[in-house]
Amino acid sequence: DTGVSQDPRHKITKRGQNVTFRCDPISEHNRLYWYRQTLGQGPEFLTYFQNEAQLEKSRLLSDRFSAERPKGSFSTLEIQRTEQGDSAMYLCASSFAPGVEQFFGPGTRLTVL
Amino acid sequence: QKEVEQNSGPLSVPEGAIASLNCTYSDRGSQSFFWYRQYSGKSPELIMSIYSNGDKEDGRFTAQLNKASQYVSLLIRDSQPSDSATYLCAVEPNSGSYKYIFGTGTRLKVLA
Repeated sequence: DTGVSQDPRHKITKRGQNVTFRCDPISEHNRLYWYRQTLGQGPEFLTYFQNEAQLEKSRLLSDRFSAERPKGSFSTLEIQRTEQGDSAMYLCASSFAPGVEQFFGPGTRLTVL
Repeated sequence: QKEVEQNSGPLSVPEGAIASLNCTYSDRGSQSFFWYRQYSGKSPELIMSIYSNGDKEDGRFTAQLNKASQYVSLLIRDSQPSDSATYLCAVEPNSGSYKYIFGTGTRLKVLA
């Protein structure tokens, strides 16, 4: 399968714990995006990378959130001191150029108890 | 005013009918427009992209774009029960970041 992959697919954690998600984009895609989706809403932009550079962060991305893309390949999204409001589907997408189609991975569903 | 607006539905159509889904956007400088299909509990799946005014057809799907009126639509011909899903409109605003702004989606139900 040469699509976008995400790991884990599901994560249940207790409030206050740290969690980390991984995204592997389509291999030739140099742009990688993170979105968050809650029930009944469309995905909301969190951050994006061009190669290893993080070029934009949403105001939604509080100080508890950090994302990296070392070597411009896979990316990780870490949430520190999770809160119940962080419960959502975290989606990763990639594209090979600006302004063209983004392809989404299967998502990581986070539940914070 | 929301940046991308869609009627949440549900939109119910009989099998074999044409489903018409609409989306309006606020940023007049937007350049790229996309339709995604999302089944319950799954991630968005790209259906079509459209970049210039007019119609673009792909199989049973036709995307229509009118930049002057700031709307984009998706027509699904010969609707099938398997088309029942939420359809998300995504717009790339003229912001320089190429992020997408999504609508809340329209839930489509195709009745057998």
